[in-house]
Amino acid sequence: QQQVKQSPQSLIVQKGGISIINCAYENTAFDYFPWYQQFPGKGPALLIAIRPDVSEKKEGRFTISFNKSAKQFSLHIMDSQPGDSATYFCAASLSTGANNLFFGTGTRLTVIP
Amino acid sequence: DTEVTQTPKHLVMGMTNKKSLKCEQHMGHRAMYWYKQKAKKPPELMFVYSYEKLSINESVPSRFSPECPNSSLLNLHLHALQPEDSALYLCASSQAPGYRGYTFGSGTRLTVV
Repeated sequence: QQQVKQSPQSLIVQKGGISIINCAYENTAFDYFPWYQQFPGKGPALLIAIRPDVSEKKEGRFTISFNKSAKQFSLHIMDSQPGDSATYFCAASLSTGANNLFFGTGTRLTVIP
Repeated sequence: DTEVTQTPKHLVMGMTNKKSLKCEQHMGHRAMYWYKQKAKKPPELMFVYSYEKLSINESVPSRFSPECPNSSLLNLHLHALQPEDSALYLCASSQAPGYRGYTFGSGTRLTVV
């Protein structure tokens, strides 16, 4: 059972545009929501993360919006650049247990110059 | 040092071969993880080591054998693999079991012929 649902599967955006990736979860025990960025041939790298007591977190061009009541969160990439082309995974984490990180299915973002 | 180093980067092996993947971190992290990632899919957890002891084995076939010789080193021994085991094998570490900040290595691209 997929604990975290992610959409779209792929996304093509013009340079300078806004990229939006959405995720949803069911388990209300999740209390930490990271986003990972993965370039081809590399491992995932933590991009930005949010806790459910905050509705929005911004780091540079990257913003997470969090809707606790809807159990949804999204990543917005402002002024998208070709260098942002990568696969993005949302994830949800529990506070307990050695296996506490659950990934979404991933979104392949392509930013066209 | 804030990296997880994996060697080799690429490995081609026959179905009767025995090989090992190596993972090393010097961040003092006490939880280490092996993930398997197929193309266009999120990483799938295979094993978790907590304080050098195996704490989770996600029903992985016995042809994969993990080993944690010390707190900085994690090995994955491979024997009699199948072509469907071809994937990117990722190592990750975190400060402690249940800690949220995972650091991933760049992975070993394994091809079984």
